[in-house]
Amino acid sequence: QSVLTQPPSASGTPGQRVTISCSGSSSNIGSNTVNWYQQLPGTAPKLLIYSNNQRPSGVPDRFSGSKSGTSASLAISGLQSEDEADYYCAAWDDSLNGHWVFGGGTKLTVL
Amino acid sequence: QVQLQQWGAGLLKPSETLSLTCAVYGGSFSGYYWSWIRQPPGKGLEWIGEINHSGSTNYNPSLKSRVTISVDTSKNQFSLKLSSVTAADTAVYYCARGLKSYSSSSGLRGWFDPWGQGTLVTVSS
Repeated sequence: QSVLTQPPSASGTPGQRVTISCSGSSSNIGSNTVNWYQQLPGTAPKLLIYSNNQRPSGVPDRFSGSKSGTSASLAISGLQSEDEADYYCAAWDDSLNGHWVFGGGTKLTVL
Repeated sequence: QVQLQQWGAGLLKPSETLSLTCAVYGGSFSGYYWSWIRQPPGKGLEWIGEINHSGSTNYNPSLKSRVTISVDTSKNQFSLKLSSVTAADTAVYYCARGLKSYSSSSGLRGWFDPWGQGTLVTVSS
């Protein structure tokens, strides 16, 4: 059972816009920033969004992040076949001396 | 460009101690938090713990009693030891560079980038 809650799956057709939600609590998302990671099949996760809505160099602007209260969202516009991957949200949790927590992951399928 | 390369034993028996090392190439070792993260087959990510260049550690409360993370700044390496492993510890283990900063307005900002290539550790009798 992950501390952050994500839908297990999401899907869309090429060109569509899809969103993935991440729900937490006051001790994690409610207090700190959220990051998103993309994990392509058979590879290590890659930083996709940091500090709620910032894109690292090289990440297309089709990817965007937002946060409101104790929830966050990742949006992917102009969906492409290469976006098919697992997506994870993460945040620092202030409880128990502080520790990182992840969402359970969302498998995105491009139909 | 910073690269992380990790290695360690891939097959363990129950009750043994898992041992992995991660080397950092091409960047500064200080000023960051160096983490271990694992992913059981077909499941999500779980943070194990972190260490900074001065040796200050922070562990996942659920694993704290079995985890030791250490650092060798002379070699730009950090290591993970997980004792008394069981089949539930079977996973791909990743090392990652972490950055953390705190502000009163946004709380703790931080992220993991880059990640190592991952090491599959299987626990089986």
